[in-house]
Amino acid sequence: AQTVTQSQPEMSVQEAETVTLSCTYDTSESDYYLFWYKQPPSRQMILVIRQEAYKQQNATENRFSVNFQKAAKSFSLKISDSQLGDAAMYFCAYRSADGATNKLIFGTGTLLAVQP
Amino acid sequence: EAQVTQNPRYLITVTGKKLTVTCSQNMNHEYMSWYRQDPGLGLRQIYYSMNVEVTDKGDVPEGYKVSRKEKRNFPLILESPSPNQTSLYFCASSELYNEQFFGPGTRLTVL
Repeated sequence: AQTVTQSQPEMSVQEAETVTLSCTYDTSESDYYLFWYKQPPSRQMILVIRQEAYKQQNATENRFSVNFQKAAKSFSLKISDSQLGDAAMYFCAYRSADGATNKLIFGTGTLLAVQP
Repeated sequence: EAQVTQNPRYLITVTGKKLTVTCSQNMNHEYMSWYRQDPGLGLRQIYYSMNVEVTDKGDVPEGYKVSRKEKRNFPLILESPSPNQTSLYFCASSELYNEQFFGPGTRLTVL
């Protein structure tokens, strides 16, 4: 069974600085998708970025980028020029590409605080 | 506006009193799913549905029921709620194999 591990329960960053959130996963599959979701205090789940495992190029969305290391099964999220609105819980998630369930497997989350 | 709606958003109930949390999507998505979120555990899938009249268990289905009689609706039923079902519940929908859209969440407390 696939698992997702986020080893940093809490992180803190100064406004305008850069922070990296870690995520590792375990799978025997070769094709899959990885995601980072943001959950602000409103509790809404917001997709931040996605990565297809078959793509070597790291995904980027504005200030958010990932470092995808397939062999190491690592998928970290880098937030550049941190803003107060980035304060939230961040979840890493895995989804198989086999189409059997479409299930997202989530890590336990990292709570990010942004200091002014 | 494309969205997933859940009702109620907040619910406090007592042990054993049957309840239903509704979920509706207006995007004509085939796939719908229920997750529960608990501190330190992340989100875990309860049930999912690949299409109308097709449902299956996720990772934590005990104590829950679902039905999918219409494409847009996927209610979550707790026949006899217990305190260990106190949690934050999310409904999600998507086209198969595409991005999942989440509802706003339902905070359930079972006393």
